[in-house]
Amino acid sequence: IAGITQAPTSQILAAGRRMTLRCTQDMRHNAMYWYRQDLGLGLRLIHYSNTAGTTGKGEVPDGYSVSRANTDDFPLTLASAVPSQTSVYFCASLPGTGLRQPQHFGDGTRLSIL
Amino acid sequence: GQQLNQSPQSMFIQEGEDVSMNCTSSSIFNTWLWYKQDPGEGPVLLIALYKAGELTSNGRLTAQFGITRKDSFLNISASIPSDVGIYFCAGHGGTSYGKLTFGQGTILTVHP
Repeated sequence: IAGITQAPTSQILAAGRRMTLRCTQDMRHNAMYWYRQDLGLGLRLIHYSNTAGTTGKGEVPDGYSVSRANTDDFPLTLASAVPSQTSVYFCASLPGTGLRQPQHFGDGTRLSIL
Repeated sequence: GQQLNQSPQSMFIQEGEDVSMNCTSSSIFNTWLWYKQDPGEGPVLLIALYKAGELTSNGRLTAQFGITRKDSFLNISASIPSDVGIYFCAGHGGTSYGKLTFGQGTILTVHP
């Protein structure tokens, strides 16, 4: 079934460690996004990529980096994790930024930083 | 930046009752979207609104894009237990349909 795959499903991480959250889509969508979800705050955009080879900062980019080497993969890296990065992270994709298409979301990665 | 205020934060209703929730924005949006999130899953799009004043239905769900372009509401009629979940409004003000601003969410509980 086509869609978005996020890995890991959940992770407990010590503060200061480096962590990469993986996101892969098989729909050949051009645009991909990373959001974090926190209780009472909804989902907030961290980084995005309109097409392979390009990335941009969202609302809360500090402490995170992304890369888009190809169309299918959009990993999110925490270089040195801090407790405030404890959250549920969602990856999403769209066929293109100018199309009236719904975003497809993965099932999320639950990350706890101790 | 743009902010969305979604209310109510939570609702506890009896099966069969109608539900209404809304979002207001501090700035104009060009698109309003309503999502539902079930536990352990990502948000799933329920209704998309692209024009001010637009009223759109999807089964028992009805949503409207406010004429001021700063608000939207979602109604659920004759609620059923599977309506339980978190409902989010989302919008954006530009032409890039992916960079969404989300509301804080409404947690809906339906008692049989």
